[in-house]
Amino acid sequence: DAGITQSPRHKVTETGTPVTLRCHQTENHRYMYWYRQDPGHGLRLIHYSYGVKDTDKGEVSDGYSVSRSKTEDFLLTLESATSSQTSVYFCAISPGTERGEQYFGPGTRLTVT
Amino acid sequence: SQQGEEDPQALSIQEGENATMNCSYKTSINNLQWYRQNSGRGFVHLILIRSNEREKHSGRLRVTLDTSKKSSSLLITASRAADTASYFCATDAGNTPLVFGKGTRLSVIA
Repeated sequence: DAGITQSPRHKVTETGTPVTLRCHQTENHRYMYWYRQDPGHGLRLIHYSYGVKDTDKGEVSDGYSVSRSKTEDFLLTLESATSSQTSVYFCAISPGTERGEQYFGPGTRLTVT
Repeated sequence: SQQGEEDPQALSIQEGENATMNCSYKTSINNLQWYRQNSGRGFVHLILIRSNEREKHSGRLRVTLDTSKKSSSLLITASRAADTASYFCATDAGNTPLVFGKGTRLSVIA
């Protein structure tokens, strides 16, 4: 399995609080991604990174920001969490292009009350 | 918005039978990939087929791609209970990262 970890694995937070999710890889892959998975919507891309300090928006980026200061870490921040951001969040990495095979982390279940 | 759309949404078969699920997409692609997700856990890459390929095999998996119909199928032969999972197609349209479909839930009954 690719070396990808996500932390925390579960989190419950209140509406309006900031939340940061961390994705850490040991594969030295260039590309990293944050997705959310919701019933009826499948897997949707939030943001992705193609290098240190290089990021771009995905399909559902509103309300989220990301940072990548090191190759191995990709942080996803919800500045002010809302109930609509209750979801399962997955991080993924890929070595080649942003359109190649991806390896996924175990997911973070976030509940915003 | 979703590029690929899997069909059926859910499929239930007996162990030993073959399972076929389909993916249709809207725009031209460079490649199409299939992933498996077990019980809400992480996704596992199964196979990638390029736009100039028509068929690809990996173990009990067979993937076909028909670019004229903008569709792909994933066949799992001699299914096992351990194949119970959700299966997703993901398309590379060339100018954005992969776009995933909503998945097919496969249940293999022992």
